[in-house]
Amino acid sequence: DVKVTQSSRYLVKRTGEKVFLECVQDMDHENMFWYRQDPGLGLRLIYFSYDVKMKEKGDIPEGYSVSREKKERFSLILESASTNQTSMYLCASSLLWVVGKNEQFFGPGTRLTVL
Amino acid sequence: AQSVSQHNHHVILSEAASLELGCNYSYGGTVNLFWYVQYPGQHLQLLLKYFSGDPLVKGIKGFEAEFIKSKFSFNLRKPSVQWSDTAEYFCAVTDTSGTYKYIFGTGTRLKVLA
Repeated sequence: DVKVTQSSRYLVKRTGEKVFLECVQDMDHENMFWYRQDPGLGLRLIYFSYDVKMKEKGDIPEGYSVSREKKERFSLILESASTNQTSMYLCASSLLWVVGKNEQFFGPGTRLTVL
Repeated sequence: AQSVSQHNHHVILSEAASLELGCNYSYGGTVNLFWYVQYPGQHLQLLLKYFSGDPLVKGIKGFEAEFIKSKFSFNLRKPSVQWSDTAEYFCAVTDTSGTYKYIFGTGTRLKVLA
């Protein structure tokens, strides 16, 4: 089974702090994604990566950056946390493009609260 | 731009009732379609997916969905819901051009009363 793990289930940070969210997958997937999930808004894509050191902006990249130094690890960075970044953050991975097999696999999420 | 609409935000049903959750997408090309479920306190997991072929797709736990290309729809159905189906359901679409982007709907919260 694919396993996607996230470094923390819950985080509380202060405004202005630099925050790192880590995600690791164990199935050699090329694609990795970061979403934020907010009530009534569904999942919104922050960034995704289709290869090591490659990244693409999603729909809401402002205030975030990412790092992918190894294939299995994709980090989301909040350069200076703000209260409007309080949210649930979901990491996902998928195969690059295999017909019939490109569904995403999700981690358990990190609930971040910025005070 | 691609988008996905889920018309029902909250649905309350009694056990044994039939379920249909609507999903419409906007995209003119070939798409792959998914339904994901998030049970309380758990991570998102795949219910079913459509890539090609038979437009009626069967998934886990008795769920099915029908792809109607002319209506740009991919509605989720279950003939008889159980209390354990209480969850949030998300429809998602990705195109086949290799952009790697998935577009999710805003979700439908289903509550099944015992």
